[in-house]
Amino acid sequence: DTEVTQTPKHLVMGMTNKKSLKCEQHMGHRAMYWYKQKAKKPPELMFVYSYEKLSINESVPSRFSPECPNSSLLNLHLHALQPEDSALYLCASSPGVAGTYGTYEQYFGPGTRLTVT
Amino acid sequence: AQTVTQSQPEMSVQEAETVTLSCTYDTSESDYYLFWYKQPPSRQMILVIRQEAYKQQNATENRFSVNFQKAAKSFSLKISDSQLGDAAMYFCAYSGGSNYKLTFGKGTLLTVNP
Repeated sequence: DTEVTQTPKHLVMGMTNKKSLKCEQHMGHRAMYWYKQKAKKPPELMFVYSYEKLSINESVPSRFSPECPNSSLLNLHLHALQPEDSALYLCASSPGVAGTYGTYEQYFGPGTRLTVT
Repeated sequence: AQTVTQSQPEMSVQEAETVTLSCTYDTSESDYYLFWYKQPPSRQMILVIRQEAYKQQNATENRFSVNFQKAAKSFSLKISDSQLGDAAMYFCAYSGGSNYKLTFGKGTLLTVNP
């Protein structure tokens, strides 16, 4: 089973709202990732969790707050977002963060389409 | 810094024909991984194929195969017997050394004509 699930599929929120995105994997992977993707562009890495600990924050604004409650779950808490934050948010997981020659293959979820009004 | 270049923003192919998508990369690492990902309009990014740089044999997955030229730093994807379901954005990606990151190319949008 190479499935990563994400909820909700679509989210519309105002700039003063607080919402959360959820990601789940049951492959026993020890690394999980959040990406932001604009239309027809490659994904941009936001956060990396390794063994449930935040290992990488790619200088993401504090209005995005990640959380890893356990090895299967990853959340992204959203607060006071801006219209330019509207994008597809992808979650991914991999067996580990980096091996001898680079990162392991990453398996992506279907994404949450976020619109900030 | 590593870079990945996909020089074909868009490609089209007739159903049942073969198409090759190009990817070049730049790195000072001697060992690394290369990937092709497919993202259909339904948006889920799917891993198509993976190549370890230390392996000389080109990777193959059913109708998908790569032509890996390490000296030329080229990693092209060949899709044989193209199907309508192959229509998607294809991203080439690189990862090397102790780097946790995937470096993506800008993508190639493939259209399959019936």
